[in-house]
Amino acid sequence: QAGLTQPPSVSKGLRQTATLTCTGNSNNVGNQGAAWLQQHQGHPPKLLSYRNNNRPSGISERFSASRSGNTASLTITGLQPEDEADYYCSAWDSSLSAWVFGGGTKLTVL
Amino acid sequence: EVQLVQSGAEVKKPGESLKISCKGSGYSFTSYWIGWVRQMPGKGLEWMGIIYPGDSDTRYSPSFQGQVTISADKSISTAYLQWSSLKASDTAMYYCARLEQLAGRNWGQGTLVTVSS
Repeated sequence: QAGLTQPPSVSKGLRQTATLTCTGNSNNVGNQGAAWLQQHQGHPPKLLSYRNNNRPSGISERFSASRSGNTASLTITGLQPEDEADYYCSAWDSSLSAWVFGGGTKLTVL
Repeated sequence: EVQLVQSGAEVKKPGESLKISCKGSGYSFTSYWIGWVRQMPGKGLEWMGIIYPGDSDTRYSPSFQGQVTISADKSISTAYLQWSSLKASDTAMYYCARLEQLAGRNWGQGTLVTVSS
């Protein structure tokens, strides 16, 4: 099953900006867009954005998503200690009729 | 408030069967796909399959086809994930999620399944 590609780790300083990437293909990210999930250790995933840049209610404006071609990005501004978590992208693959995930990026806030 | 409440942790022996559940509330259970996701210890999220409780249309990831069965009982707003013969490699946390706009909008708290002799 084809998955989405994310860098394993990103480290940034407090109050800095982090941009996480997620690369797929024209059947998933490039077609249907991507969603972003945040997962803290020991907790279930939490949806941050869907269909590229729609935020569920209650999600901080510090989280913004975008897409360029087959690559989706999640930008987190003003990094806070509580932003340290694993971040996953996901998308529906219309060719596979499958829900695909990225391998996850561990964000460390220094 | 949308909630997905999963059944409790399970400890099983290899070869045993198991059925875990995910009960939805606060929304129309028959109108949204429910997905099941595996997370092995220290690893990422893996899609197992999805079901549309309205008509029980079910899709499986090729990696899990034939290994598990996904079902739903719309009369009690509950989706299920079951194994007929567990293996040690099935040890993982399992999450259900309500899909909306092609994304896991709401997630259950997870069910930890431990398979050990």
